[in-house]
Amino acid sequence: GENVEQHPSTLSVQEGDSAVIKCTYSDSASNYFPWYKQELGKRPQLIIDIRSNVGEKKDQRIAVTLNKTAKHFSLHITETQPEDSAVYFCAASRNDMRFGAGTRLTVKP
Amino acid sequence: DTEVTQTPKHLVMGMTNKKSLKCEQHMGHRAMYWYKQKAKKPPELMFVYSYEKLSINESVPSRFSPECPNSSLLNLHLHALQPEDSALYLCASSQEHRGGTEAFFGQGTRLTVV
Repeated sequence: GENVEQHPSTLSVQEGDSAVIKCTYSDSASNYFPWYKQELGKRPQLIIDIRSNVGEKKDQRIAVTLNKTAKHFSLHITETQPEDSAVYFCAASRNDMRFGAGTRLTVKP
Repeated sequence: DTEVTQTPKHLVMGMTNKKSLKCEQHMGHRAMYWYKQKAKKPPELMFVYSYEKLSINESVPSRFSPECPNSSLLNLHLHALQPEDSALYLCASSQEHRGGTEAFFGQGTRLTVV
């Protein structure tokens, strides 16, 4: 089955800086790559996703890039704010959805 | 309505009890999922239902029994659980499970087995 690896496990940045989280996947048939944000005690919420026929997607301060050949994808958050502090999960999906281990992002004011 | 509703929000049960978790969505989604999430860990896939049929069972112990009575409802029946089964159980739904579509999560049921 699909195996998703995510790095780093923790990331601390100063407010206004950028944050980058990277994931790799093993199943070349995976075709959908969502990113979820989970705040303490809450459900995972989709923040951005990308499909395998697209190399990059941007939504305001958030962008995702996908390299199908290398089987890796990344989340980029620019101009970080304290409210961006949360755990971020990447996932890869073909006929199911499997998550990376998560990155705890802390944005210091 | 983009809500996936799970009940109950919290559940404490003994190891000899039988209980059920419920999940409901009215978005017309044909794929529904159960995930288990332990503290500080990612959601771990348990079951996938597609068009009301079980399509994926991730080798989950038989003390967890899923059921999909109709396209809007998903249940997880619990029997003879162990303390290590204590976790947040998340239900999710998506338009379908092939082709990659957004999955919406319920708020979860926090289960404690005593």
